Amino acid sequence: EAGVAQSPRYKIIEKRQSVAFWCNPISGHATLYWYQQILGQGPKLLIQFQNNGVVDDSQLPKDRFSAERLKGVDSTLKIQPAKLEDSAVYLCASSRGLAGSQETQYFGPGTRLLVL
Amino acid sequence: DAKTTQPTSMDCAEGRAANLPCNHSTISGNEYVYWYRQIHSQGPQYIIHGLKNNETNEMASLIITEDRKSSTLILPHATLRDTAVYYCIVRDAISSGSARQLTFGSGTQLTVLP
Repeated sequence: EAGVAQSPRYKIIEKRQSVAFWCNPISGHATLYWYQQILGQGPKLLIQFQNNGVVDDSQLPKDRFSAERLKGVDSTLKIQPAKLEDSAVYLCASSRGLAGSQETQYFGPGTRLLVL
Repeated sequence: DAKTTQPTSMDCAEGRAANLPCNHSTISGNEYVYWYRQIHSQGPQYIIHGLKNNETNEMASLIITEDRKSSTLILPHATLRDTAVYYCIVRDAISSGSARQLTFGSGTQLTVLP
């Protein structure tokens, strides 16, 4: 099966600009996650979707970050305006979302963002 | 916060077994141990998980101590392609809602040497 797709793979912007990342999860996967990974650290969850609903966005900096998954499939993550500290790799992951099962999360290759 | 402690880095000779330790002394009875790895410039990849019994799959073996306070991931014959950051993660057995989340620490950088 096809893996999790993300685009773009790389993005360079200046601070205060806006940027958007796109994720297409594995077909049929109900749960979708966005993670932020700063250089030298492990990934940190930003937001979790179940179908088109938000399960947890407690770690999403909502003053500048937003995410949506309108039709329960693709998702976009937006940063507006970007700050220097937003430079990181943004990872998308998906899982089947079956209740009661120990699920595997499948990760995309990530989008590497550099804010100058 | 991550509930696990791992060494920052380890080296292993190609062809030898790589044994990666993980301490999870505060693990509760209904929490699983998961291992993921992240090769440079790629997303994390699932390796294996277990509750209390030892587990083996085509990639690795997972040995969990009887008191479940620590575990070891074993790559039986390490290759250069196994060079990666390895993450040990503790996750609740109730797999629904936000309990599905993975909390990553900093992991162990494994370098397989030729």
